[in-house]
Amino acid sequence: QVQLVESGGGVVQPGRSLRLSCAASGFTFSNFAMHWVRQAPGKGLEWVAVISFDGTNKYYSDSVRGRFTISRDNSMNMLYLQMNSLRGDDTAVYYCANGGGNYVAPIFGMWGQGTLVTVSS
Amino acid sequence: DIQMTQSPSSLSASVGDRVTITCRASQSISTRLNWYQQKPGKAPSLLIYGASSLQSGVPSRFSGSGAGTDFTLTISSLQPEDFAIYYCQQSYSTPPVTFGGGTKVEIK
Repeated sequence: QVQLVESGGGVVQPGRSLRLSCAASGFTFSNFAMHWVRQAPGKGLEWVAVISFDGTNKYYSDSVRGRFTISRDNSMNMLYLQMNSLRGDDTAVYYCANGGGNYVAPIFGMWGQGTLVTVSS
Repeated sequence: DIQMTQSPSSLSASVGDRVTITCRASQSISTRLNWYQQKPGKAPSLLIYGASSLQSGVPSRFSGSGAGTDFTLTISSLQPEDFAIYYCQQSYSTPPVTFGGGTKVEIK
Protein backbone atom coordinates (compact mmCIF):
# COMPACT_ATOMS: atom_id res chain seq x y z
CA GLN A 1 0.00 0.00 0.00
CA VAL A 2 0.95 3.65 -0.23
CA GLN A 3 3.35 4.35 2.58
CA LEU A 4 5.96 6.77 3.89
CA VAL A 5 8.16 5.58 6.74
CA GLU A 6 10.57 7.91 8.50
CA SER A 7 13.61 6.84 10.47
CA GLY A 8 16.75 8.30 11.98
CA GLY A 9 15.35 10.32 14.86
CA GLY A 10 16.79 10.25 18.35
CA VAL A 11 18.47 12.27 21.05
CA VAL A 12 21.36 14.48 19.92
CA GLN A 13 23.42 17.14 21.62
CA PRO A 14 23.22 20.78 20.56
CA GLY A 15 25.58 21.55 17.71
CA ARG A 16 25.67 17.97 16.47
CA SER A 17 24.22 16.47 13.29
CA LEU A 18 21.55 13.94 12.42
CA ARG A 19 20.21 12.53 9.16
CA LEU A 20 16.58 11.58 8.75
CA SER A 21 15.36 9.18 6.10
CA CYS A 22 11.95 8.57 4.59
CA ALA A 23 11.23 5.39 2.65
CA ALA A 24 8.43 5.64 0.11
CA SER A 25 6.44 2.75 -1.32
CA GLY A 26 3.21 2.08 -3.19
CA PHE A 27 3.42 5.05 -5.54
CA THR A 28 5.72 6.45 -8.21
CA PHE A 29 8.03 8.39 -5.92
CA SER A 30 9.92 10.09 -8.75
CA ASN A 31 6.74 11.87 -9.92
CA PHE A 32 6.20 13.88 -6.75
CA ALA A 33 7.69 16.76 -4.84
CA MET A 34 8.46 15.81 -1.26
CA HIS A 35 8.45 17.87 1.89
CA TRP A 36 9.56 17.76 5.49
CA VAL A 37 7.17 19.21 8.07
CA ARG A 38 7.88 19.30 11.78
CA GLN A 39 5.89 19.69 14.96
CA ALA A 40 7.46 20.74 18.23
CA PRO A 41 5.95 19.11 21.34
CA GLY A 42 2.48 20.52 21.96
CA LYS A 43 2.80 22.97 19.06
CA GLY A 44 1.45 23.35 15.55
CA LEU A 45 2.77 22.28 12.18
CA GLU A 46 5.84 23.99 10.71
CA TRP A 47 6.98 23.46 7.15
CA VAL A 48 10.73 22.78 6.90
CA ALA A 49 11.79 22.06 3.31
CA VAL A 50 10.72 20.88 -0.14
CA ILE A 51 12.49 19.13 -2.99
CA SER A 52 11.09 18.92 -6.50
CA PHE A 53 10.32 15.58 -8.14
CA ASP A 54 13.71 15.44 -9.86
CA GLY A 55 15.75 17.00 -7.07
CA THR A 56 16.70 20.11 -9.01
CA ASN A 57 14.75 22.59 -6.88
CA LYS A 58 15.03 22.84 -3.12
CA TYR A 59 13.64 25.39 -0.70
CA TYR A 60 13.90 25.83 3.05
CA SER A 61 12.22 27.69 5.86
CA ASP A 62 14.14 30.62 7.27
CA SER A 63 14.60 28.74 10.54
CA VAL A 64 16.63 25.91 8.96
CA ARG A 65 18.19 27.44 5.87
CA GLY A 66 21.96 27.00 5.90
CA ARG A 67 21.79 24.21 8.50
CA PHE A 68 19.51 21.58 6.93
CA THR A 69 19.79 19.93 3.51
CA ILE A 70 17.00 18.03 1.79
CA SER A 71 17.85 15.40 -0.81
CA ARG A 72 16.35 12.39 -2.52
CA ASP A 73 17.36 9.20 -4.29
CA ASN A 74 14.68 8.31 -6.81
CA SER A 75 16.36 5.01 -7.63
CA MET A 76 15.87 3.94 -4.02
CA ASN A 77 12.58 5.76 -3.36
CA MET A 78 14.21 7.60 -0.48
CA LEU A 79 13.97 11.13 0.90
CA TYR A 80 16.54 12.56 3.32
CA LEU A 81 17.01 15.49 5.65
CA GLN A 82 20.55 16.21 6.79
CA MET A 83 20.38 18.34 9.91
CA ASN A 84 23.54 20.12 11.08
CA SER A 85 24.23 22.56 13.91
CA LEU A 86 21.15 21.35 15.74
CA ARG A 87 19.54 23.60 18.36
CA GLY A 88 17.05 23.05 21.12
CA ASP A 89 14.27 24.61 19.07
CA ASP A 90 14.77 21.93 16.42
CA THR A 91 13.26 19.43 18.87
CA ALA A 92 10.17 18.11 17.12
CA VAL A 93 8.48 15.23 15.40
CA TYR A 94 9.60 15.34 11.77
CA TYR A 95 7.17 14.17 9.11
CA CYS A 96 7.88 13.52 5.47
CA ALA A 97 4.94 14.34 3.24
CA ASN A 98 4.00 13.97 -0.39
CA GLY A 99 2.96 17.38 -1.64
CA GLY A 100 1.54 16.26 -4.95
CA GLY A 101 2.82 17.04 -8.41
CA ASN A 102 3.33 20.79 -8.00
CA TYR A 103 6.04 21.65 -5.52
CA VAL A 104 4.94 25.28 -5.29
CA ALA A 105 1.29 24.45 -4.59
CA PRO A 106 1.46 21.51 -2.21
CA ILE A 107 -1.48 19.53 -0.98
CA PHE A 108 -0.30 17.04 1.61
CA GLY A 109 -2.33 13.96 0.85
CA MET A 110 0.20 11.53 2.23
CA TRP A 111 2.22 11.68 5.46
CA GLY A 112 4.63 9.41 7.25
CA GLN A 113 4.16 8.45 10.89
CA GLY A 114 6.88 10.86 12.00
CA THR A 115 10.21 10.50 13.76
CA LEU A 116 11.09 12.34 16.98
CA VAL A 117 14.25 14.42 17.17
CA THR A 118 15.26 15.63 20.61
CA VAL A 119 18.11 18.10 20.88
CA SER A 120 19.40 18.13 24.43
CA SER A 121 22.66 18.03 26.32
CA ASP B 1 5.13 35.27 3.64
CA ILE B 2 1.40 34.61 3.93
CA GLN B 3 0.20 34.36 7.51
CA MET B 4 -2.68 32.04 8.35
CA THR B 5 -4.81 32.77 11.40
CA GLN B 6 -7.32 30.27 12.75
CA SER B 7 -10.12 30.91 15.19
CA PRO B 8 -11.01 29.84 17.70
CA SER B 9 -7.85 28.19 19.02
CA SER B 10 -10.05 25.72 20.86
CA LEU B 11 -13.71 24.93 21.30
CA SER B 12 -15.89 22.59 23.28
CA ALA B 13 -18.81 20.91 21.59
CA SER B 14 -21.15 17.99 22.03
CA VAL B 15 -21.78 15.03 19.78
CA GLY B 16 -24.29 16.09 17.17
CA ASP B 17 -23.35 19.77 17.26
CA ARG B 18 -22.60 21.81 14.17
CA VAL B 19 -19.04 23.13 14.40
CA THR B 20 -17.44 25.90 12.36
CA ILE B 21 -13.74 26.77 12.30
CA THR B 22 -12.42 29.87 10.58
CA CYS B 23 -9.13 30.45 8.81
CA ARG B 24 -8.02 33.86 7.57
CA ALA B 25 -5.10 34.56 5.23
CA SER B 26 -3.03 37.74 5.43
CA GLN B 27 -3.58 38.26 1.69
CA SER B 28 -5.76 36.74 -0.97
CA ILE B 29 -5.01 33.10 -1.70
CA SER B 30 -7.86 32.44 -4.15
CA THR B 31 -9.12 28.98 -3.16
CA ARG B 32 -5.67 27.50 -2.45
CA LEU B 33 -6.62 26.43 1.05
CA ASN B 34 -6.40 22.96 2.54
CA TRP B 35 -7.68 21.55 5.83
CA TYR B 36 -6.14 18.76 7.91
CA GLN B 37 -7.23 16.76 10.94
CA GLN B 38 -4.72 15.53 13.49
CA LYS B 39 -5.48 13.09 16.29
CA PRO B 40 -3.17 12.63 19.28
CA GLY B 41 0.05 10.84 18.42
CA LYS B 42 -0.84 10.62 14.74
CA ALA B 43 0.20 12.38 11.57
CA PRO B 44 -2.19 14.93 10.07
CA SER B 45 -4.60 13.72 7.42
CA LEU B 46 -6.06 15.72 4.55
CA LEU B 47 -9.76 16.56 4.82
CA ILE B 48 -10.43 19.32 2.30
CA TYR B 49 -8.35 20.72 -0.55
CA GLY B 50 -8.92 23.66 -2.83
CA ALA B 51 -11.08 25.24 -0.11
CA SER B 52 -14.10 23.03 -0.76
CA SER B 53 -13.16 19.69 -2.35
CA LEU B 54 -13.60 16.70 -0.08
CA GLN B 55 -10.67 14.31 0.01
CA SER B 56 -11.59 10.74 -0.96
CA GLY B 57 -12.78 8.73 2.02
CA VAL B 58 -13.59 11.74 4.19
CA PRO B 59 -17.16 11.72 5.57
CA SER B 60 -19.60 14.13 3.96
CA ARG B 61 -20.31 15.83 7.29
CA PHE B 62 -17.08 17.75 6.65
CA SER B 63 -17.31 20.69 4.28
CA GLY B 64 -15.21 23.70 3.39
CA SER B 65 -16.01 27.06 1.91
CA GLY B 66 -14.48 30.43 1.21
CA ALA B 67 -12.22 32.27 -1.19
CA GLY B 68 -9.81 35.15 -1.07
CA THR B 69 -8.86 35.62 2.57
CA ASP B 70 -11.67 34.02 4.58
CA PHE B 71 -12.38 30.32 4.83
CA THR B 72 -14.44 27.99 6.98
CA LEU B 73 -14.41 24.31 7.85
CA THR B 74 -17.77 23.00 8.98
CA ILE B 75 -18.62 19.72 10.65
CA SER B 76 -22.37 19.37 10.25
CA SER B 77 -22.93 16.86 13.05
CA LEU B 78 -19.95 16.25 15.31
CA GLN B 79 -19.10 12.61 15.90
CA PRO B 80 -16.94 11.11 18.68
CA GLU B 81 -14.12 10.41 16.25
CA ASP B 82 -14.00 14.08 15.18
CA PHE B 83 -12.44 15.30 18.41
CA ALA B 84 -9.04 16.36 17.17
CA ILE B 85 -6.97 19.36 16.13
CA TYR B 86 -7.70 20.97 12.78
CA TYR B 87 -5.19 22.96 10.71
CA CYS B 88 -5.53 25.07 7.62
CA GLN B 89 -2.68 25.46 5.11
CA GLN B 90 -2.23 27.76 2.15
CA SER B 91 -0.80 26.49 -1.13
CA TYR B 92 -1.07 29.76 -3.08
CA SER B 93 2.30 31.37 -2.53
CA THR B 94 5.03 28.97 -1.57
CA PRO B 95 7.65 28.52 -0.42
CA PRO B 96 7.23 28.89 2.43
CA VAL B 97 4.23 26.70 3.03
CA THR B 98 2.29 28.14 5.95
CA PHE B 99 -0.18 26.58 8.34
CA GLY B 100 -2.68 28.06 10.71
CA GLY B 101 -2.05 27.66 14.40
CA GLY B 102 -4.66 24.94 14.81
CA THR B 103 -8.08 24.58 16.40
CA LYS B 104 -8.57 21.96 19.09
CA VAL B 105 -12.06 20.49 19.16
CA GLU B 106 -12.81 19.06 22.60
CA ILE B 107 -15.73 17.23 24.14
CA LYS B 108 -18.13 19.38 26.14
